[in-house]
Amino acid sequence: TQLLEQSPQFLSIQEGENLTVYCNSSSVFSSLQWYRQEPGEGPVLLVTVVTGGEVKKLKRLTFQFGDARKDSSLHITAAQPGDTGLYLCAGATSNDYKLSFGAGTTVTVRA
Amino acid sequence: NAGVMQNPRHLVRRRGQEARLRCSPMKGHSHVYWYRQLPEEGLKFMVYLQKENIIDESGMPKERFSAEFPKEGPSILRIQQVVRGDSAAYFCASSPPNRANEKLFFGSGTQLSVL
Repeated sequence: TQLLEQSPQFLSIQEGENLTVYCNSSSVFSSLQWYRQEPGEGPVLLVTVVTGGEVKKLKRLTFQFGDARKDSSLHITAAQPGDTGLYLCAGATSNDYKLSFGAGTTVTVRA
Repeated sequence: NAGVMQNPRHLVRRRGQEARLRCSPMKGHSHVYWYRQLPEEGLKFMVYLQKENIIDESGMPKERFSAEFPKEGPSILRIQQVVRGDSAAYFCASSPPNRANEKLFFGSGTQLSVL
């Protein structure tokens, strides 16, 4: 079983539409990260959130960390084909240094 | 400032052979992590090393797998007597000291195929 559950598993939308990806857990995390991975490449860090209720914006991407620090969401506004990729959330607990990853959400943005 | 370098990018081995995967962390990074990724699965933690020390190998199979990060040279993930189930993408990541939990930089991975 995954420590972090991501939903949906797959998401296919038209260019210009909005999308939201969710990351949920029953565990409390000291920090949560979002990565984007393209085929044949390693994940690239997009953002780290550390405070419950925190909202971070990165251009058209908005990241939110739940108040209880158990869940997070990634919202993309006006998606573009360049946003296509595998989005992974990863969490770290306060007494552990290793990240636990969700299974990922594969996002496809059609032109 | 080169990123995390992994080689080879692709490695083909027959069952029973040995596989050696190499990882050079980013300059200034002293922490190295190895993860394994299977299709439609997230990355699974294998081992965490600092120079000359294995800090946590709880995610690594007890047999056939070993890892090292010597004082000089890259980190090596070694798989002896490979089996088909070892086929996967293996990723190395490094982090700066004191930020191990917050900032991981990944290499491009090694795709291991066992025939």
